[in-house]
Amino acid sequence: EIVLTQSPDTLSLSPGERATLSCRASQSVKYNKFAWYQQKPGQAPRLLIHGASSRAAGIPDRFIGTGSETDFTLTISRLEPEDFAVYYCQQYDYFYSFGQGTKLEIK
Amino acid sequence: QVQLVQSAAEVKEPGASVKISCKSSGYTFTSYWMHWVRQAPGQGLEWLGRINPTGESTLYARKLQGRLTVTRDTSTTTLYMELTSLRSEDTAVYYCVREIFSGSGSYLYWGQGTLVTVSS
Repeated sequence: EIVLTQSPDTLSLSPGERATLSCRASQSVKYNKFAWYQQKPGQAPRLLIHGASSRAAGIPDRFIGTGSETDFTLTISRLEPEDFAVYYCQQYDYFYSFGQGTKLEIK
Repeated sequence: QVQLVQSAAEVKEPGASVKISCKSSGYTFTSYWMHWVRQAPGQGLEWLGRINPTGESTLYARKLQGRLTVTRDTSTTTLYMELTSLRSEDTAVYYCVREIFSGSGSYLYWGQGTLVTVSS
């Protein structure tokens, strides 16, 4: 099983700032089979990034996914009020697994 | 538009079984892999299992092997998940999900979720 560890657990920032969320895999994730999701309270998660760096349809270009093998990053270039939520990373190379989540909260 | 509509919330006693349905519409049902994901109260996401487009092949999370069965009915475009020998730690919102494109493994479409509560 590939274990994904996200950091930090909580990130406190203000609107307009840049957010950097990290996800480290316990072993290499091949073929960039990696995704990021956003989840707001009471809602199902929403796919942001797939293939490590491809934005899903309708996702603003302020969401940027980078990384490969064991280290992946989601950058939100300039935070909007609606971006404060919980973010999960996922690998789908060997079985499927999610990180524990990073809560992005308003400072 | 793609829709995944799940069955209503369930309350079960420990040791019982639960079967949840997920009615798909707005796309070709037999073209996409489908998965189940759950989320315990206040916790993160957990992948449970998947089924291939024709329903002939399944894969389950190791911790649920033997208790989880995923099936699909192509005539009614409905996905099912049955979990047996329920325990309190199975209390969660269960989501059916469809991949962004077949075989991709990332989930563009999500059902609204079905809350399963296991309690005596």
